[in-house]
Amino acid sequence: GAGVSQTPSNKVTEKGKYVELRCDPISGHTALYWYRQSLGQGPEFLIYFQGTGAADDSGLPNDRFFAVRPEGSVSTLKIQRTERGDSAVYLCASSQAPNTEAFFGQGTRLTVV
Amino acid sequence: GENVEQHPSTLSVQEGDSAVIKCTYSDSASNYFPWYKQELGKRPQLIIDIRSNVGEKKDQRIAVTLNKTAKHFSLHITETQPEDSAVYFCAVSGGGSNYKLTFGKGTLLTVNP
Repeated sequence: GAGVSQTPSNKVTEKGKYVELRCDPISGHTALYWYRQSLGQGPEFLIYFQGTGAADDSGLPNDRFFAVRPEGSVSTLKIQRTERGDSAVYLCASSQAPNTEAFFGQGTRLTVV
Repeated sequence: GENVEQHPSTLSVQEGDSAVIKCTYSDSASNYFPWYKQELGKRPQLIIDIRSNVGEKKDQRIAVTLNKTAKHFSLHITETQPEDSAVYFCAVSGGGSNYKLTFGKGTLLTVNP
């Protein structure tokens, strides 16, 4: 595709449920980032992949959050036992190399009820 | 970890005036400083970036200046237009071998016709 694609665009789930959010980066981009953005706030870093490996996962809030990128392309952010405080827009971005322009997807709006 | 402070949080200017947004950072090893524009309900998009070996960069009405000694950088928009109204985020990355992109909290710029 031409840009970073995230699915679903919207997700409503019940408290305690498990959710998976998917990110398709731009083809050939080795760096992939996950961010969380709440209303009126800047993107909050969650995790950064370089290739298949998580180069920095220091932003994951707790062990309910996990992300994978098994083949160095598509990434999935997984949230277990969702809580109302997890409600936010989850943004994915990719870049051709570290410290080059990061292109963002349109985000997944997660609502936990 | 990296700490990015952005000021002001809101900025209102008259069309044709200049706007300046400032960011400070904490990690002296950081070497990549992009600025993103986010319109309501849309994804962040890069408008300009600068690297630590350059003190200033300009692209038409937009410029960024970097003071590495003081660890701050600024976005300058001249001849503002109503379509410049958006939230602007600064970001910082590249400290050591860590390419995590850390964002400021954003500045809501309103350009009044």
